[in-house]
Amino acid sequence: SQQGEEDPQALSIQEGENATMNCSYKTSINNLQWYRQNSGRGLVHLILIRSNEREKHSGRLRVTLDTSKKSSSLLITASRAADTASYFCAKTNTGNQFYFGTGTSLTVIP
Amino acid sequence: DVKVTQSSRYLVKRTGEKVFLECVQDMDHENMFWYRQDPGLGLRLIYFSYDVKMKEKGDIPEGYSVSREKKERFSLILESASTNQTSMYLCASSSSPALNTQYFGPGTRLTVL
Repeated sequence: SQQGEEDPQALSIQEGENATMNCSYKTSINNLQWYRQNSGRGLVHLILIRSNEREKHSGRLRVTLDTSKKSSSLLITASRAADTASYFCAKTNTGNQFYFGTGTSLTVIP
Repeated sequence: DVKVTQSSRYLVKRTGEKVFLECVQDMDHENMFWYRQDPGLGLRLIYFSYDVKMKEKGDIPEGYSVSREKKERFSLILESASTNQTSMYLCASSSSPALNTQYFGPGTRLTVL
């Protein structure tokens, strides 16, 4: 599938710990975005990283991109219970097609 | 803030009914999208539109059609609803096809009995 994979599918951590989610893809990309979805709601954009960038930060979020390994990771530092949600990566390939992964379900235990 | 609204949060229909899901965005975005989301399958693109009266099939268009008569409104139509169309439907808009952020509505949970 062009979507690639996200792992883990589910992650459960204690409040205050860091959470790391990974996203892999198969074809070359122009950019990669991370979205968050609270249960039963729409997706909210978190961060975009372009193919010529290696790392971006936004508050407690850190995204890395390794184009040689065709993978990206999202790190949430000092997690909070309110970070409990599903996290999706979305890849834009060089044909400007847009693909979502299947997501990682994060549970942060207070 | 960009706002994307969907006509219903929850909808229950019977097999064979014609179903309309409406989506409206207030940011003058050229591009609008309809996805369905099912457990374990992520988001799958049904149809998208880059301009008024323009539509393109996504990955799973079978059983669906769309209408975009005005720039701000993109409708998804299930001509004859079936139980396998029970799903969460998400509408999104963006100011360019893929290079920019997509803004999502809250979703419509459709149940077909």
